[in-house]
Amino acid sequence: DGGITQSPKYLFRKEGQNVTLSCEQNLNHDAMYWYRQDPGQGLRLIYYSQIVNDFQKGDIAEGYSVSREKKESFPLTVTSAQKNPTAFYLCASSIARVSIYEQYFGPGTRLTVT
Amino acid sequence: AQTVTQSQPEMSVQEAETVTLSCTYDTSESDYYLFWYKQPPSRQMILVIRQEAYKQQNATENRFSVNFQKAAKSFSLKISDSQLGDAAMYFCAYQGGSEKLVFGKGMKLTVNP
Repeated sequence: DGGITQSPKYLFRKEGQNVTLSCEQNLNHDAMYWYRQDPGQGLRLIYYSQIVNDFQKGDIAEGYSVSREKKESFPLTVTSAQKNPTAFYLCASSIARVSIYEQYFGPGTRLTVT
Repeated sequence: AQTVTQSQPEMSVQEAETVTLSCTYDTSESDYYLFWYKQPPSRQMILVIRQEAYKQQNATENRFSVNFQKAAKSFSLKISDSQLGDAAMYFCAYQGGSEKLVFGKGMKLTVNP
């Protein structure tokens, strides 16, 4: 089945450690995105990538890093510089149809940092 | 910058009844797309319906329909014959000239049996 996978579903880390969240898609989509979701905040864009080896900062990129070495994969690293890393993280991908970028989402990863 | 506002944080509806979720947005663009996403307790984001701004006809998907008022910058979602499975967070989203989606803060819908 085609889709987006994120693993693990729950992730726990100690403060000061970097942690990498994985996102894989087999939809042959060109664009991929990372969002952060906090209670009462909706979804906020962290990073996005339209093509391999290229990515752009979103609205809240500080303390995060990404790579896009393969079309299928867009891992997100939450660094120790991120002051409030505990959140729900969603990965999405899209294919451009004319000018619409309808996004499909993965199941998400809940990160807890203590 | 574009903004999306969902002014009602929570709503409830009786099973089989109809409910309307409101959304307003602010933009200076003339071509854009609007979406409603559903997030059930599993937290998987699911696209419910989309509307192209250049289309005057309101989009419909089975029990879900929208009331798109471009001049008023309003994009409400109507759910008919509400079912227990409709209980979820609902997010309104805007996509303009860039490929980025701008989301509202969401609204929690409760469906009472």
